[in-house]
Amino acid sequence: SQQGEEDPQALSIQEGENATMNCSYKTSINNLQWYRQNSGRGLVHLILIRSNEREKHSGRLRVTLDTSKKSSSLLITASRAADTASYFCATASGSRLTFGEGTQLTVNP
Amino acid sequence: GAVVSQHPSWVICKSGTSVKIECRSLDFQATTMFWYRQFPKQSLMLMATSNEGSKATYEQGVEKDKFLINHASLTLSTLTVTSAHPEDSSFYICSASALSMSSYEQYFGPGTRLTVT
Repeated sequence: SQQGEEDPQALSIQEGENATMNCSYKTSINNLQWYRQNSGRGLVHLILIRSNEREKHSGRLRVTLDTSKKSSSLLITASRAADTASYFCATASGSRLTFGEGTQLTVNP
Repeated sequence: GAVVSQHPSWVICKSGTSVKIECRSLDFQATTMFWYRQFPKQSLMLMATSNEGSKATYEQGVEKDKFLINHASLTLSTLTVTSAHPEDSSFYICSASALSMSSYEQYFGPGTRLTVT
């Protein structure tokens, strides 16, 4: 069963604004990963944060992980229209990934 | 980086026929491949995990006789949807990982859109 829940389900912002998406999970994890999916396309791996890490940066992306609250957030700074996509968190237990429901981000030019 | 391809990218078939989808790791040997299904505006659901040379492990609720998975080589896994029905219409995505990589890394194919009429 899906254990990842994301909010918001949909987010619409203006170009240049920051976008924050949250993910909650229920069981213990080895790591948590964030993926991006453009409509009708495959997944692109964005960033992985291990269970013993609290924060990680990659370019305009910032991910936090709070294992005590079983939650993670993805922040995209200075958003661009090209960031429009669905974003999924996925928790890893061993080699098995369980995906959250996803957040549909729309960045308006 | 590691590249995974899928073929075909889309397929339309008639109800009752079978469809085979291929997943290939192009520049690495994939010891494990995963098959996911994604319905419109929904998340990815893991269908099965296959290890090269052994039988696939199916998730609860996935019919192994309907979704046949073969992982005969370290670079190829196939998913055959047998006796397809309209409710099998979905986006099927594979991913692959290798012992030489971090066990946490999976590389995803571009997906195959199946439409059953």
